[in-house]
Amino acid sequence: AQSVTQPDIHITVSEGASLELRCNYSYGATPYLFWYVQSPGQGLQLLLKYFSGDTLVQGIKGFEAEFKRSQSSFNLRKPSVHWSDAAEYFCAVGGGSQGNLIFGKGTKLSVKP
Amino acid sequence: GAGVSQTPSNKVTEKGKYVELRCDPISGHTALYWYRQSLGQGPEFLIYFQGTGAADDSGLPNDRFFAVRPEGSVSTLKIQRTERGDSAVYLCASSLTGTGHPYGYTFGSGTRLTVV
Repeated sequence: AQSVTQPDIHITVSEGASLELRCNYSYGATPYLFWYVQSPGQGLQLLLKYFSGDTLVQGIKGFEAEFKRSQSSFNLRKPSVHWSDAAEYFCAVGGGSQGNLIFGKGTKLSVKP
Repeated sequence: GAGVSQTPSNKVTEKGKYVELRCDPISGHTALYWYRQSLGQGPEFLIYFQGTGAADDSGLPNDRFFAVRPEGSVSTLKIQRTERGDSAVYLCASSLTGTGHPYGYTFGSGTRLTVV
């Protein structure tokens, strides 16, 4: 079955510390992978996407993610977290003939001053 | 428009009533999607349009839910005989192509539906 797993429901990091949010997927075809961020009461904003090519992708707000096919993972990283990064982060997979995205349950990020 | 627009932003309705939720996608985007997001969950797929036709409606939970996109742009999600369990945020997204390539999927801010 196609699915996305985000193992961490809630993560707290100190401002200025590095961040890694985990994402594992199960998908029958070559995956297209996405990370979205959602602030309270807001829609989803696209942080970055992977379709093919270089497995390390850069996104907005200083985020990056690395596609590791052998591990079926697409972890999101940021070297130095800012208080404004506090939000919920969703990993999603789609692609091929499938038109829709499959989302993980999300990871809520809190940032300590 | 510049982004995906959803109206209304909030809707409170009584159990058993009929509601319509509207989505205006980015101009030129042929693909349009509806998702439902319950509290503490990721968005769940409902239906996907390619142009005017529903390419995949496998996510619609039952026959009380229906969606149309008659001219290939604006879409309306219709819910009949609403139930309290329908309370959620309904998100609309659009993309240039059906796979999200090359620009990804753009989401609207959602309609928060509350059934009382």
